[in-house]
Amino acid sequence: GAVVSQHPSRVICKSGTSVKIECRSLDFQATTMFWYRQFPKQSLMLMATSNEGSKATYEQGVEKDKFLINHASLTLSTLTVTSAHPEDSSFYICSARDPGPKSYEQYFGPGTRLTVT
Amino acid sequence: TQLLEQSPQFLSIQEGENLTVYCNSSSVFSSLQWYRQEPGEGPVLLVTVVTGGEVKKLKRLTFQFGDARKDSSLHITAAQPGDTGLYLCAGGRSSASKIIFGSGTRLSIRP
Repeated sequence: GAVVSQHPSRVICKSGTSVKIECRSLDFQATTMFWYRQFPKQSLMLMATSNEGSKATYEQGVEKDKFLINHASLTLSTLTVTSAHPEDSSFYICSARDPGPKSYEQYFGPGTRLTVT
Repeated sequence: TQLLEQSPQFLSIQEGENLTVYCNSSSVFSSLQWYRQEPGEGPVLLVTVVTGGEVKKLKRLTFQFGDARKDSSLHITAAQPGDTGLYLCAGGRSSASKIIFGSGTRLSIRP
């Protein structure tokens, strides 16, 4: 089946630094990937849609200059949290859209726990 | 505004009991998925329903899509401790659109 990986799984950084999170589709090509944020005991909140070779589409209220998304290849999308602050601490999850006829389905990565101190 | 409302938000029951989780919306969805998520992990797809009135079974789990494609339910028979987790419904307006997640139901099964 379709597998999506994320790296790193956990990261701790100091306030003011930037952190990059990678999302890879391991056995399929993904033209569309999604980035979500999840707070403790809450559901997933869509941050942005990442399309290969074009600019990401951000959801309302998500700062595009703070959360930089790059989808340079069909198997890799990256999310960079710039000038991180403690309030950016969260669980970040990416997903990739099924490339076949079931394009309404998405496959999720295992998530990245970001802690900003 | 949450487009997909799930109920209940929390549910703690004894092993062996049955339960139903609901996912409701005022909007029509072309497809609806159910996911289960464990702490510290990404959601895992359980099922996708696309046809109004559709019923799908996955072992002890029964999923139903409403006739009008605005709501869905998940019924678990004889719940097991391994069913514990966060259950999320998610809907898409079209095959190419983003999916919207429901508010989630946190299920705990006591041995």
